[in-house]
Amino acid sequence: GAVVSQHPSWVICKSGTSVKIECRSLDFQATTMFWYRQFPKQSLMLMATSNEGSKATYEQGVEKDKFLINHASLTLSTLTVTSAHPEDSSFYICSARDLQREVYTYNEQFFGPGTRLTVL
Amino acid sequence: GENVEQHPSTLSVQEGDSAVIKCTYSDSASNYFPWYKQELGKRPQLIIDIRSNVGEKKDQRIAVTLNKTAKHFSLHITETQPEDSAVYFCAADERSGGSYIPTFGRGTSLIVHP
Repeated sequence: GAVVSQHPSWVICKSGTSVKIECRSLDFQATTMFWYRQFPKQSLMLMATSNEGSKATYEQGVEKDKFLINHASLTLSTLTVTSAHPEDSSFYICSARDLQREVYTYNEQFFGPGTRLTVL
Repeated sequence: GENVEQHPSTLSVQEGDSAVIKCTYSDSASNYFPWYKQELGKRPQLIIDIRSNVGEKKDQRIAVTLNKTAKHFSLHITETQPEDSAVYFCAADERSGGSYIPTFGRGTSLIVHP
């Protein structure tokens, strides 16, 4: 149980275009999903916390107009990189927390497989 | 906000040796401390976690210790094997509003030589 999928697994786009990444919890409901960015050989940098039915909470330094997050249901959150530029190239990973476990303050995150974005 | 420091950044050991990775955190209100293993190009996998009401937890060759007073926690891997080679991240969860927000350490690249 507790499987999280991401789509696409990799994407190449031209500079100036927008890219949407989906994060789905397949067998559980998640009130909270996290979006991370990871550069090669570096740590996971939290970009934003996505809450179902409300606006996402962005970390300091992350442009909310550039990285649009929508958490429309308990199983789906999307990250849209708008007007992408080469510096946005990175590995984007989402994670989700199980609604049922959250009730008991069980904090475990379940990570998606990640999306490799390359902007030409 | 929370600040997590992780050391060392690289750790090289011989197969069968023990490996220890240490992390410190800044927010005394943090109450959940997971450790993740990430292989190249793959998602982080939880290997062990500990809550603030426990001082030590063990799962086969892996153990984690927590010192709340000093605000540090450590990962111990005994009898290391080549398949333990990966990047390990520690994290600390701090309560923020109605949720727990994780902060990750910078990671430790563990290399186990056969």
